[in-house]
Amino acid sequence: AAGVIQSPRHLIKEKRETATLKCYPIPRHDTVYWYQQGPGQDPQFLISFYEKMQSDKGSIPDRFSAQQFSDYHSELNMSSLELGDSALYFCASSASLETQYFGPGTRLLVL
Amino acid sequence: EDKVVQSPLSLVVHEGDTVTLNCSYEVTNFRSLLWYKQEKKAPTFLFMLTSSGIEKKSGRLSSILDKKELFSILNITATQTGDSAIYLCAVWHGGSQGNLIFGKGTKLSVKP
Repeated sequence: AAGVIQSPRHLIKEKRETATLKCYPIPRHDTVYWYQQGPGQDPQFLISFYEKMQSDKGSIPDRFSAQQFSDYHSELNMSSLELGDSALYFCASSASLETQYFGPGTRLLVL
Repeated sequence: EDKVVQSPLSLVVHEGDTVTLNCSYEVTNFRSLLWYKQEKKAPTFLFMLTSSGIEKKSGRLSSILDKKELFSILNITATQTGDSAIYLCAVWHGGSQGNLIFGKGTKLSVKP
């Protein structure tokens, strides 16, 4: 069965650079969620989109922005990267409030 | 403040043992409780519980929700080394879309 696809899987950036993470939800899923998981931490909700509109906002820094496109894929844009942004970034998708299924994650390392 | 608390944080057992993982929660507008297994990367879905008292079962794993006492348990019987992972409890709450609040997880290590 098709799963959530995230790209890239690994990313290394330097401080103050920008990064864009992409998420392709499971086909026919209309909701996308972004989570940040620091080392040894539980996933922290960042932001979600339903039918291309932002539906919920969690602990997303102002330096980050995200959007969902007409094909339901989503992109998380991260600017002015800081060392503390190094983490695993998960995208999850669901079909109208059903179970969230997670992608494999993008591991971001900021040097 | 909404919170999800899991216990124990860490557990070491031997193959064949039975374990019970606990998850308690305090959230507004509770919708459902989910259990995930996280090995090296992404959390993989185990169970979604919405109604009290109805056990969900999948192989050696089972889970039940108590909405009156605000907790859930995840049972694993006849544990195997492949069960070693972090088990995350998450509660889905909120308005039209809501979001998941995760507990810190229980790290289960199953020794041969």
